[in-house]
Amino acid sequence: NAGVTQTPKFQVLKTGQSMTLQCAQDMNHEYMSWYRQDPGMGLRLIHYSVGAGITDQGEVPNGYNVSRSTTEDFPLRLLSAAPSQTSVYFCATRQGQHYEQYFGPGTRLTVT
Amino acid sequence: DQQVKQNSPSLSVQEGRISILNCDYTNSMFDYFLWYKKYPAEGPTFLISISSIKDKNEDGRFTVFLNKSAKHLSLHIVPSQPGDSAVYFCAAPQGPNSGGYQKVTFGIGTKLQVIP
Repeated sequence: NAGVTQTPKFQVLKTGQSMTLQCAQDMNHEYMSWYRQDPGMGLRLIHYSVGAGITDQGEVPNGYNVSRSTTEDFPLRLLSAAPSQTSVYFCATRQGQHYEQYFGPGTRLTVT
Repeated sequence: DQQVKQNSPSLSVQEGRISILNCDYTNSMFDYFLWYKKYPAEGPTFLISISSIKDKNEDGRFTVFLNKSAKHLSLHIVPSQPGDSAVYFCAAPQGPNSGGYQKVTFGIGTKLQVIP
């Protein structure tokens, strides 16, 4: 089992460019979430999904879109990258009846 | 407003000694707490948790203590090993696990260094 995978590991974008961060899981978990981690701040929730076709906003959703067409995949789209979106992004999954989350290895994004 | 606070950004401990990582919370509605461990260039991994109906939970070298009246929890690692060097996050779901999604509040983390 690969668990939670994220691609790419690193990405550099110019301001205004768009891109998609990929997240895939093979644990058949119903809940998936995207977080960003910034220095001096805890992990902050961007968007989450409770199942295929169902997504909702987290704490810091502006500038990001998500969709969930399958249980396995939960891509995060940056519509028009800004330097404020420079961060490390983590995807996480959770089985509904448990609190523990399983995190991917992260994507380090730099926007110049 | 940080609802989960880890006031010590870093901690250094000698190998074999006890490491104590602290976490304070402000929301008295929190009823479950988790600790995650994170190595550089990796995602966080779940370490140990505690429900508010308990005041202690132990798993091998790791013990979490909960003091509800003080809104404080601590993670004890005994004995500390160099492989324990990592960032430790305290986290609390915002609501009971009644079948829906609970947003989780994370602390900013404490970086533990265990010196051989």
